[in-house]
Amino acid sequence: NAGVMQNPRHLVRRRGQEARLRCSPMKGHSHVYWYRQLPEEGLKFMVYLQKENIIDESGMPKERFSAEFPKEGPSILRIQQVVRGDSAAYFCASSPPGLAGASSYNEQFFGPGTRLTVL
Amino acid sequence: KNEVEQSPQNLTAQEGEFITINCSYSVGISALHWLQQHPGGGIVSLFMLSSGKKKHGRLIATINIQEKHSSLHITASHPRDSAVYICAVGSGGGADGLTFGKGTHLIIQP
Repeated sequence: NAGVMQNPRHLVRRRGQEARLRCSPMKGHSHVYWYRQLPEEGLKFMVYLQKENIIDESGMPKERFSAEFPKEGPSILRIQQVVRGDSAAYFCASSPPGLAGASSYNEQFFGPGTRLTVL
Repeated sequence: KNEVEQSPQNLTAQEGEFITINCSYSVGISALHWLQQHPGGGIVSLFMLSSGKKKHGRLIATINIQEKHSSLHITASHPRDSAVYICAVGSGGGADGLTFGKGTHLIIQP
């Protein structure tokens, strides 16, 4: 059973370009979380998705950032018109559906991360 | 919003020492996670617990729900244990993203 997969592992973009980060959850996992780790800072929650639904996007910047988790295929975190401050490590985690749908009761498994550098 | 505090922020110890890392949080939770992040950045989940104590090899995690406090212990520490250890809490209720502590940078010297 493969773990959580993220690609690309490293992404370099110039200011104003778009960045697309992909996350394939573990087999059987229907919950995906995106987290951001800015240089010298801790991890911060961005968004929580289930298949075809955004459940909680309270940690997502209001502009330029969007996320989706389609019925087929990986989850995508999209950053439009990137700026230098977007340079960070972006981690995806997945978990299986929990009892009564409460996924906090289930362990989250992390991917290796995508390191985004904006020049 | 939950506030997660870890201590110490940095810890250097000699090989073989018993290590304790502490985590406190401010609001009731559904589960607490201990994570390990190595240089190079990958994150590994060590434990998830909501009560009591769990043990895996040389690692032990405990949680006191009433005191809103958890500890991670490493027995017979080894240089390969050198990493950043991160405490994270989940509050559940549909908003299931984790809230993280700033991490404890552990260095075990041979």
